[in-house]
Amino acid sequence: DQQVKQNSPSLSVQEGRISILNCDYTNSMFDYFLWYKKYPAEGPTFLISISSIKDKNEDGRFTVFLNKSAKHLSLHIVPSQPGDSAVYFCAADSTVGSNYKLTFGKGTLLTVNP
Amino acid sequence: DSGVTQTPKHLITATGQRVTLRCSPRSGDLSVYWYQQSLDQGLQFLIQYYNGEERAKGNILERFSAQQFPDLHSELNLSSLELGDSALYFCASRSSNSPLHFGNGTRLTVT
Repeated sequence: DQQVKQNSPSLSVQEGRISILNCDYTNSMFDYFLWYKKYPAEGPTFLISISSIKDKNEDGRFTVFLNKSAKHLSLHIVPSQPGDSAVYFCAADSTVGSNYKLTFGKGTLLTVNP
Repeated sequence: DSGVTQTPKHLITATGQRVTLRCSPRSGDLSVYWYQQSLDQGLQFLIQYYNGEERAKGNILERFSAQQFPDLHSELNLSSLELGDSALYFCASRSSNSPLHFGNGTRLTVT
């Protein structure tokens, strides 16, 4: 039972254009969401997060949108750069209770072509 | 550099064997997490320790065990290894109000 789903295994965009990565979740208890980026031979690195009390969070070229009614979030990268080419993981957590335990999607491989 | 150190980077062993993966968390982080990433799978949560005590368990097999020592480093022990245990094993650490910081992982190959 996959509670966090990234339905696109890969995405290819041109440099300078927008990259949109999508993520769906099924667990209504999730109220905190994160995106991680992973380069080959490295561990995932934190990119951006959003709490369920917000519907948008921006950090430079990266914006995460949350649609709670649809249980959907997306990561927008504008403009995309070749260095953004990596696997992007969506993750979710329920902050109810004391444990912080992220549930990850399978990832989307983003390729930004020069 | 996340500050989380995992050793070894690569491990090749035979079925039935036992291995130990080691993790040193970021300085000051009391929580350590272990995740497994198998082929075509996302990161699967295995287990969490906080200041030496087990806090949460995920999809961890009974053949697997972990511990966190007084100096806060952690070890993940995998025994009676099977081919299906071949995967990337990530350790992550965090402190209050911070996201998880991951190490570069240990790639385990069981032959």
